[in-house]
Amino acid sequence: DIVMTQSPDSLAVSLGERATINCKSSQSILYSPSNKYYLAWYQQKPGQPPKLLINWASTRESGIPDRFSGSGSGTEFTLTISSLQAEDVAVYYCQSHYRTPAFGQGTKVEIK
Amino acid sequence: QITLKESGPALVKSTQTLTLTCTFSGFSLTTTGVGVGWIRQPPGGALEWLALIYWDDDKRYSPSLRSRLTITKDTFKNQVVLTMTNMDPVDTATYYCALTTVITSFDPWGQGTLVTVSS
Repeated sequence: DIVMTQSPDSLAVSLGERATINCKSSQSILYSPSNKYYLAWYQQKPGQPPKLLINWASTRESGIPDRFSGSGSGTEFTLTISSLQAEDVAVYYCQSHYRTPAFGQGTKVEIK
Repeated sequence: QITLKESGPALVKSTQTLTLTCTFSGFSLTTTGVGVGWIRQPPGGALEWLALIYWDDDKRYSPSLRSRLTITKDTFKNQVVLTMTNMDPVDTATYYCALTTVITSFDPWGQGTLVTVSS
């Protein structure tokens, strides 16, 4: 079974600064036909269901601001918020959708 | 517009069986590749995937909860039902259903339903 591990568990970033969240999978999650990775990122605000931000490790969903970007390969992936805004305060989860789904433990992003 | 909504009891007792229903619209579970998954989240905790079912009745379960879970679909009613046996207070959580496909993640999600397990 795939295990997804995020780091850090929480981080505080000043408004306008960069926030970086890491996610590591315990095994390869490569979708060979397209050479893409079965890796998604979600944002969850209090009292709301998770919202899909990024699919296939780096494909931003429609309507998601371009300050959110995903990158990575192999078993290590990163979500970057290039310029943190107040509305970005949330918990962020990575998820592998390879064979059976698996979520990371979440990273709480706060304002410093 | 795709919507999903979870329904079920807000309170169950230890050892009882929980039955949750996900009623959806805007897509069909007869469409090739389409699936519906269940995910839960304890208060203040992380997301945990539970089960999913695909258009062809392929079913997948969390390895750690497999023995307690059953997922079924009713394509005529546009519903997916999850049952979880032998409920325990640690199963207290918000339970979500969400749309998925064989190669994509979960999107969109229902609003979730909070289930509290009393001892």
